[in-house]
Amino acid sequence: AQSVSQHNHHVILSEAASLELGCNYSYGGTVNLFWYVQYPGQHLQLLLKYFSGDPLVKGIKGFEAEFIKSKFSFNLRKPSVQWSDTAEYFCAVSGSYIPTFGRGTSLIVHP
Amino acid sequence: KAGVTQTPRYLIKTRGQQVTLSCSPISGHRSVSWYQQTPGQGLQFLFEYFSETQRNKGNFPGRFSGRQFSNSRSEMNVSTLELGDSALYLCASALDRGGQPQHFGDGTRLSIL
Repeated sequence: AQSVSQHNHHVILSEAASLELGCNYSYGGTVNLFWYVQYPGQHLQLLLKYFSGDPLVKGIKGFEAEFIKSKFSFNLRKPSVQWSDTAEYFCAVSGSYIPTFGRGTSLIVHP
Repeated sequence: KAGVTQTPRYLIKTRGQQVTLSCSPISGHRSVSWYQQTPGQGLQFLFEYFSETQRNKGNFPGRFSGRQFSNSRSEMNVSTLELGDSALYLCASALDRGGQPQHFGDGTRLSIL
C-alpha cells in the first residue's frame, strides 16, 4: 500500500521568507508525484507534477519541487513567499492508480 | 473550457436518509474519481470510474456507491446516512487513468443532522 506523509501541518511565514514543505511517501514501485494547492474559497488545483526525467520540477507561481528517490521525498519549495500564497498544500502520490493524498499543510503568510 | 461541476453545493440530511451527488467532468475527461474530505482525515479516496466501470475503490463501506454514464458524468450515492458522513465530497476528473493530474470540482458540502 502507498502512503504519504506531510510533516508540517501548519506553517506561518512573513512575506519574502523562503518556504520548504516536506513530503515523504512509501511505495515500492514507480510513482507519479503531485503537489496541489487550495486557496481560500477555491477548489483544489494542480501546482506541479513529476512523472519522470529531471527530478527538479517547476510549477506555477514560482513553486518548485525536488524528487529524491533515495529518500522517497518530494519537497515543495519557493524562495520568496507572498501573502497570496496563503493556502492549504497537499502532496499526492499515484503508484497503483489509486491516488493517495497527504493530510495537507496550512500555510499562512503575513504581509 | 468549463471545469468540473458538482451539484448540489450544499446538502442537509438526517440520519438514515440517502443522498445522491452529481459530477460533470471536464469535456473529454474519461476518468472520474470521488473523495471525502474531512478536517480529521484529510482527503480520502472513495472510488474511480472509467468507461462506466468502477476501476478502483477506497476503504469505505458498501453504503457508498457510484456510477458513471456514457457521457462520463458520474453520480455518487450514500445510503443509510450516519453523522460521520458529514464531509465535503470532491469529484475530480482526468483525461485518462494511470495517475494523471486531476482536476477538482468545488465539492458538495454534506451535513447530517
